Amino acid sequence: AQSVTQLGSHVSVSEGALVLLRCNYSSSVPPYLFWYVQYPNQGLQLLLKYTSAATLVKGINGFEAEFKKSETSFHLTKPSAHMSDAAEYFCAVSPPGNTDKLIFGTGTRLQVFP
Amino acid sequence: DAGVTQSPTHLIKTRGQHVTLRCSPISGHKSVSWYQQVLGQGPQFIFQYYEKEERGRGNFPDRFSARQFPNYSSELNVNALLLGDSALYLCASSPYNPGSPLHFGNGTRLTVT
Repeated sequence: AQSVTQLGSHVSVSEGALVLLRCNYSSSVPPYLFWYVQYPNQGLQLLLKYTSAATLVKGINGFEAEFKKSETSFHLTKPSAHMSDAAEYFCAVSPPGNTDKLIFGTGTRLQVFP
Repeated sequence: DAGVTQSPTHLIKTRGQHVTLRCSPISGHKSVSWYQQVLGQGPQFIFQYYEKEERGRGNFPDRFSARQFPNYSSELNVNALLLGDSALYLCASSPYNPGSPLHFGNGTRLTVT
């Protein structure tokens, strides 16, 4: 069975500081991994995805994530936080055969202070 | 191109009632999936439909059902509503190619009183 654990339900950073949101996965097969962002009263928007190509994945809005098999991690980073980054972030995993059936983590709420 | 559209945006129902939620996928997408997001949690997979056939079902009771129409739009039906069914119901579509991500709609907020 596959699962995702997001460490830290809330993360607060100052504007301009490094953003680091943690995600660890469990999968018996090589997984596909995703990060989605959710703004208030909206659906989920894809930030980036890992589908077994390059281990360092660049996404939208300056975010990137690195797939580390040895650590079973897929942490999301951004060098410099912006006020508009404040949102809920979800890590998700799927088996390679069906990327429509995502298993989500419980989410991390990012707050950005001026 | 229009994104995934869901209707209604908000809905209030009473326990025991029935509800139907609707979803129109992105043009060209033949796969539609439904997710339930309870407040403070991540979305949970309910159903996936591709070419009008059910391709996956999550751990939800039989009170939940869905279908997909020839134009690839979809309905999610929930019978005998419980207070615990209150949630944001998200619809997502994809072309169902390996590695293709899901595109989500803004959801239907269901409140059961």
